Amino acid sequence: AQSVTQPDIHITVSEGASLELRCNYSYGATPYLFWYVQSPGQGLQLLLKYFSGDTLVQGIKGFEAEFKRSQSSFNLRKPSVHWSDAAEYFCAVGAKAAGNKLTFGGGTRVLVKP
Amino acid sequence: GAGVSQSPSNKVTEKGKDVELRCDPISGHTALYWYRQSLGQGLEFLIYFQGNSAPDKSGLPSDRFSAERTGGSVSTLTIQRTQQEDSAVYLCASSPGTSGFQETQYFGPGTRLLVL
Repeated sequence: AQSVTQPDIHITVSEGASLELRCNYSYGATPYLFWYVQSPGQGLQLLLKYFSGDTLVQGIKGFEAEFKRSQSSFNLRKPSVHWSDAAEYFCAVGAKAAGNKLTFGGGTRVLVKP
Repeated sequence: GAGVSQSPSNKVTEKGKDVELRCDPISGHTALYWYRQSLGQGLEFLIYFQGNSAPDKSGLPSDRFSAERTGGSVSTLTIQRTQQEDSAVYLCASSPGTSGFQETQYFGPGTRLLVL
């Protein structure tokens, strides 16, 4: 069965600074990887996804993520954080063998300091 | 256009009571999912509906949980004899249903359930 680990529960970053959120997955074959963001009181919104091809994926709101098979990682990055980026971020993996269900990591809560 | 909607947004109930949570998917989406988000357990898959196929119920934690989807659209998640450990945010998502597990799932705002 696949699993997803987000090692950082909380991250605090200053506005304008760069942000990197870590995601490690465990799955025997090529996974399908997603990053979702959940703002307070809101549902989950897809930031980006990776299925195949270019390992650097661009998403919405200026986010990008890089798939590294050798490290089983799919880290999310943003060069310059805005106060509106304060939210909880979830990495998820889908797999053909798992049907249509997504397996989520535990989430990373991002706080943005002015 | 309209996104996934869920009702109620908040529900407080007493232990032992039954509750029903409703999900209205995006119009035209044939795939519908329920997830649960709770402290200590994170986001967990509960059940998945695709068109007229038998639902994937592999994530339901006990037989107190059931879900149905009427007319291929609206879905209701029912929790019988609620327990305090059922307290969580219940999230519904939908997707077009044409590309299987590769599809983007669109999430609703959730129903926050508190069992006293």
